[in-house]
Amino acid sequence: QVQLVESGGGVVQPGKSLRLSCAASGFYFSSYGMHWVRQAPGKGLEWVAVIYYDGSKESYADSVKGRFTISRDNSKNTLYLQMNSLRAEDTAVYYCVRDSDYWGQGTLVTVSS
Amino acid sequence: DVVMTQSPLSLPVTLGQPASISCRSSQSLVHSDGDTYLTWFQQRPGQSPRRLIYKVSNRDSGVPDRFSGSGSDTDFTLKISRVEAEDVGVYYCMQGTHWPLWTFGQGTKLEIK
Repeated sequence: QVQLVESGGGVVQPGKSLRLSCAASGFYFSSYGMHWVRQAPGKGLEWVAVIYYDGSKESYADSVKGRFTISRDNSKNTLYLQMNSLRAEDTAVYYCVRDSDYWGQGTLVTVSS
Repeated sequence: DVVMTQSPLSLPVTLGQPASISCRSSQSLVHSDGDTYLTWFQQRPGQSPRRLIYKVSNRDSGVPDRFSGSGSDTDFTLKISRVEAEDVGVYYCMQGTHWPLWTFGQGTKLEIK
């Protein structure tokens, strides 16, 4: 069955960096576009970034453009989100999403001094 | 940018009664390929979002048939024919037409009266 398992979250100081990973299994990873979606505590869903199935193109929400980088390694069935220059408002649960039909359990990122 | 507006934001419903959630987009969601990429998600307390409906009215596998989606162009509705206790949670609409950006509605919190 399809599984998406995020990791890499934690507490980080403002201005620092963090890299999230999402290990995919149960489907042909290289055939799907993959997204990151986040949810601040008690808030709604916010789309963060997408990467094409072959890694040829990426797109970002304005709120993270220039600070976050989405990437993938199809040989390892893994999606990444490199987050630099983190801000308090980046505090959220980050979900890895396949297309729109499967979501991981999420990983919590807390940006605080 | 496309703005998705849901109403109501809070929806108290008696068990066994119907419920309806509206979602309006600021732009047409009809894609150049002829499809309309309007999706509905359910997020139960403490869980990741789960896709219920895709392309306006297509139910995902395992979704009870008491859930139905309808609408066109900029005006969409999610209906639950008879609310059950397990339906408690937050419901989000999302547009995927103006790809690669996804845009979510604010969410509608369904609770049992």
